[in-house]
Amino acid sequence: GAVVSQHPSWVICKSGTSVKIECRSLDFQATTMFWYRQFPKQSLMLMATSNEGSKATYEQGVEKDKFLINHASLTLSTLTVTSAHPEDSSFYICSAPPLERGGDTQYFGPGTRLTVL
Amino acid sequence: GQQVMQIPQYQHVQEGEDFTTYCNSSTTLSNIQWYKQRPGGHPVFLIQLVKSGEVKKQKRLTFQFGEAKKNSSLHITATQTTDVGTYFCAGPGGKLIFGQGTELSVKP
Repeated sequence: GAVVSQHPSWVICKSGTSVKIECRSLDFQATTMFWYRQFPKQSLMLMATSNEGSKATYEQGVEKDKFLINHASLTLSTLTVTSAHPEDSSFYICSAPPLERGGDTQYFGPGTRLTVL
Repeated sequence: GQQVMQIPQYQHVQEGEDFTTYCNSSTTLSNIQWYKQRPGGHPVFLIQLVKSGEVKKQKRLTFQFGEAKKNSSLHITATQTTDVGTYFCAGPGGKLIFGQGTELSVKP
């Protein structure tokens, strides 16, 4: 149980285009999902908290107009990287704590590797 | 803001040797979690520690939470090549703040 999927698993796009990444909880519901970014050989940096039915909350330094987050349902959150540039190339990972289990344990998606040319 | 520091950044061991990574928080933590990330993979939850002074074991892995709930450690006894990866501590709660991670490599 507690499986989180991400789509796509990798994407290559041209500079200036937008890329949408989906994060789905497959066998549980989550009112909150988290989006992280990880550069090579670095730790995970929290970008934003996705809240079902309300606006996402962004960490300091993360541009909300560039990284659009939509939590459409209790099982789906999307991250759209708008007008992507090469410096946005990174590993994007989502996570979710199962609503029905309580506690703080989070389950991570497999990640999406974005390369912007 | 809250910071979670982790050392060492890298650790290279011979198979069979022990390994320890340490995590320190600038503030008291309600709980701390440990994750393992294999090369090219995503973080996988290992364990959560909640109580002051708590010690938990998972086979060859021993996790400790300090008395002051500001530090934690992960110790692996007799490392195997399957232990290769980066170990992260993170805390607390939903909005996880990750340590820098310790990358473990094991030479057969």
